[in-house]
Amino acid sequence: EVQLVESGGGLVQPGGSLRLSCAASGFTFSSYWMSWVRQAPGKGLEWVANIKQDGSEKYYVDSVKGRFTISRDNAKNSLYLQMNSLRAEDTAVYYCARDGDYGDPVVDYWGQGTLVTVSS
Amino acid sequence: SYELTQPPSVSVSPGQTARITCSGDALPKKYAYWYQQKSGQAPVLVIYEDSKRPSGIPERFSGSSSGTMATLTISGAQVEDEADYYCYSTDSSGNHRGVFGGGTKLTVL
Repeated sequence: EVQLVESGGGLVQPGGSLRLSCAASGFTFSSYWMSWVRQAPGKGLEWVANIKQDGSEKYYVDSVKGRFTISRDNAKNSLYLQMNSLRAEDTAVYYCARDGDYGDPVVDYWGQGTLVTVSS
Repeated sequence: SYELTQPPSVSVSPGQTARITCSGDALPKKYAYWYQQKSGQAPVLVIYEDSKRPSGIPERFSGSSSGTMATLTISGAQVEDEADYYCYSTDSSGNHRGVFGGGTKLTVL
């Protein structure tokens, strides 16, 4: 059974930093693109970033470029999102997600999400 | 940046056909995907590559795409289909970035 478990969310002040982690199990982690998707309270889904199997390619939504960094450790079956210079508009539930075998970067499994609140 | 546009809400009575549209300039060249998200739950993929249905998704869910518009159709909508629906596609510039539409709240009552 595919499982994705996020951790690291919480309350942070504007301008602060936070690192999200995602522990993956139930599949060969190193064989899949992985993504982060977020959802602000009461709002829609927003694709944030993804990373290739070996970490050699990374893509970001424009609003987080230069502030967020996605990374992975295939030996630990773990995905990360380093978030710096956080803003109020980054407040959201952040989902760790696996990209399925569709050719396109399309999520087929989701974690339960971790809430990040940026507020003073 | 690339955008996908959906109507904010659609409402139908049980047994009627619900249609949710998604417009985007790159859809003639890029596949559309559809997710269903019920309150408090993670999204579920209900249509992939414009019109294909993942295993376990009821046959009443179908998808189509023509020109710059993709459509999710729920034939004989049921009360349990009430949810938010999001279209999804990929950036038209050839990189590996994704984009979601703004979402459509489907009410079945």
